Amino acid sequence: GAVVSQHPSRVICKSGTSVKIECRSLDFQATTMFWYRQFPKKSLMLMATSNEGSKATYEQGVEKDKFLINHASLTLSTLTVTSAHPEDSSFYICSAKTGGAGYTFGSGTRLTVV
Amino acid sequence: GENVEQHPSTLSVQEGDSAVIKCTYSDSASNYFPWYKQELGKGPQLIIDIRSNVGEKKDQRIAVTLNKTAKHFSLHITETQPEDSAVYFCAENDNNDMRFGAGTRLTVKP
Repeated sequence: GAVVSQHPSRVICKSGTSVKIECRSLDFQATTMFWYRQFPKKSLMLMATSNEGSKATYEQGVEKDKFLINHASLTLSTLTVTSAHPEDSSFYICSAKTGGAGYTFGSGTRLTVV
Repeated sequence: GENVEQHPSTLSVQEGDSAVIKCTYSDSASNYFPWYKQELGKGPQLIIDIRSNVGEKKDQRIAVTLNKTAKHFSLHITETQPEDSAVYFCAENDNNDMRFGAGTRLTVKP
């Protein structure tokens, strides 16, 4: 089946620095990928939709200059958290459309900003 | 806006009992209804899905039922095991957007 690889699984960074999270589709081409943020014991909150070769579409309230999304190829989308602050600490998850209406999720990235 | 409601938010059952989680949606155009299982610290994994032209689908101990008229669908887990303990999310898709329920934390007590 379709596999989405997300790295890193855990990252700790200092306040003010930037961190990049990668999401790769391993055995299929993903023209559309999604980035979510998940708070403890909460559901998935869609942050943005990433389309290959074009600008990402951000959900209301999500700062596009803070959460930079790049989808330069059919198999890779990246989320860069810029000038990270402790309140950006969270679990970030990507997913990709796998054809039809199906989505496959990455394994998630636990970001801790100290 | 359109959303999907999921109940209950927490569910505790004894090993071997059945567990049922229900979701209600409002978008008449929704035609795809997946269920995801999320274990602690991991991404959601698809466990079963159903399309709008089918009323029921079963895969071993897991089944999903869909009532399009009433706009609700349910996940049924029979003969529950401790490893079924996780958070389960329902979702619905109208070919444009996937919308998720708030999740159900299932605990199976040995």
